Amino acid sequence: SQTIHQWPATLVQPVGSPLSLECTVEGTSNPNLYWYRQAAGRGLQLLFYSVGIGQISSEVPQNLSASRPQDRQFILSSKKLLLSDSGFYLCAWAPGGMTLHFGNGTRLTVT
Amino acid sequence: EDKVVQSPLSLVVHEGDTVTLNCSYEVTNFRSLLWYKQEKKAPTFLFMLTSSGIEKKSGRLSSILDKKELFSILNITATQTGDSAVYLCAVDRYGNKLVFGAGTILRVKS
Repeated sequence: SQTIHQWPATLVQPVGSPLSLECTVEGTSNPNLYWYRQAAGRGLQLLFYSVGIGQISSEVPQNLSASRPQDRQFILSSKKLLLSDSGFYLCAWAPGGMTLHFGNGTRLTVT
Repeated sequence: EDKVVQSPLSLVVHEGDTVTLNCSYEVTNFRSLLWYKQEKKAPTFLFMLTSSGIEKKSGRLSSILDKKELFSILNITATQTGDSAVYLCAVDRYGNKLVFGAGTILRVKS
């Protein structure tokens, strides 16, 4: 079956520390993958999307980067976290190219 | 700039009430409009709408799209406490790059 995994579920990191969030999908090949962020009380904002290995498009300028080292792996990173990076990060994909489905998310708090 | 606006921002109703949530949009390259329900974690998919005037229905939930007036509504009849959640409206411009509204927080009191 097709599933999406995201970890960790929660993370508390100090300002200036690095970040690595991982997302993997199972049961498919060459999926389009997406990273969204949801700030407190706001809608989801698309950060990055990838149509294949090594192919990353950024939607908004920010302190974060993304990588796609393997077909079914999508990583969100930062070298030095800012307070404003706090939020709920969601990885997503579209099985069959239709509707977007989300992983369970990572709640990041930068202190 | 593409934008999606939802109203109301929040509402509180009693079990059994009927609610209508609104979503208006201004986007280029419209492909579809989607509704999601978000409880504690990931949004879960409710409906995808592509054509005007065709109601989508699932149990007590229904939704319809008006592409001329650029809006959609989500109706929930006979509300239950389990309907309490944030309801998100999003527009797919192309390639599942969704633009989301800020959401409507629904609280159903028993």
